Amino acid sequence: AQSVTQPDIHITVSEGASLELRCNYSYGATPYLFWYVQSPGQGLQLLLKYFSGDTLVQGIKGFEAEFKRSQSSFNLRKPSVHWSDAAEYFCAVGARGNDMRFGAGTRLTVKP
Amino acid sequence: DAGVIQSPRHEVTEMGQEVTLRCKPISGHNSLFWYRQTMMRGLELLIYFNNNVPIDDSGMPEDRFSAKMPNASFSTLKIQPSEPRDSAVYFCASSPRDRGNTIYFGEGSWLTVV
Repeated sequence: AQSVTQPDIHITVSEGASLELRCNYSYGATPYLFWYVQSPGQGLQLLLKYFSGDTLVQGIKGFEAEFKRSQSSFNLRKPSVHWSDAAEYFCAVGARGNDMRFGAGTRLTVKP
Repeated sequence: DAGVIQSPRHEVTEMGQEVTLRCKPISGHNSLFWYRQTMMRGLELLIYFNNNVPIDDSGMPEDRFSAKMPNASFSTLKIQPSEPRDSAVYFCASSPRDRGNTIYFGEGSWLTVV
């Protein structure tokens, strides 16, 4: 079965600084890859997804992610973080039949 | 367009009581998922349905947990009897198509078992 690792449990960045959240996956075939964001007390909202094609995908709120097959990675990036980006971020990998697995999440704190 | 609707949003119950969580998926979606989120274990897939049929329930922790989907617009997750370690946020989610399409989450049911 597929699995996802998010190596960083908690990251703190200053407002305006760049951000990169790491995600590594394990899956035997071409995966479907997702990044979701969860604000406190809320459900998960989709930021972006990769199914095929261009390995650099753009999402909402200025986020992007790059699929690197050779590294089994799908890291999330943002060039300039805003205070409202403080939240928990989840990477997920999907397979046939909609069996989706989530990483443990990375909590982002934004310093003023 | 209404999203995934879950009820109750919050529930506090005593150990040993039966808990029923309800979910209405987005209309037209044929896949439905139940997830549990805790600090210790993160987000866990409990069970998912395709076209109202349970496909994978390997994530259901114990026989005390059961899930049903009697029709395309309704699902329940039942815990009987409940225990304090069941305290968590339970998310329902739905997806419009098979093969890894985007999953849309409800806002969760926050369960506390005392």
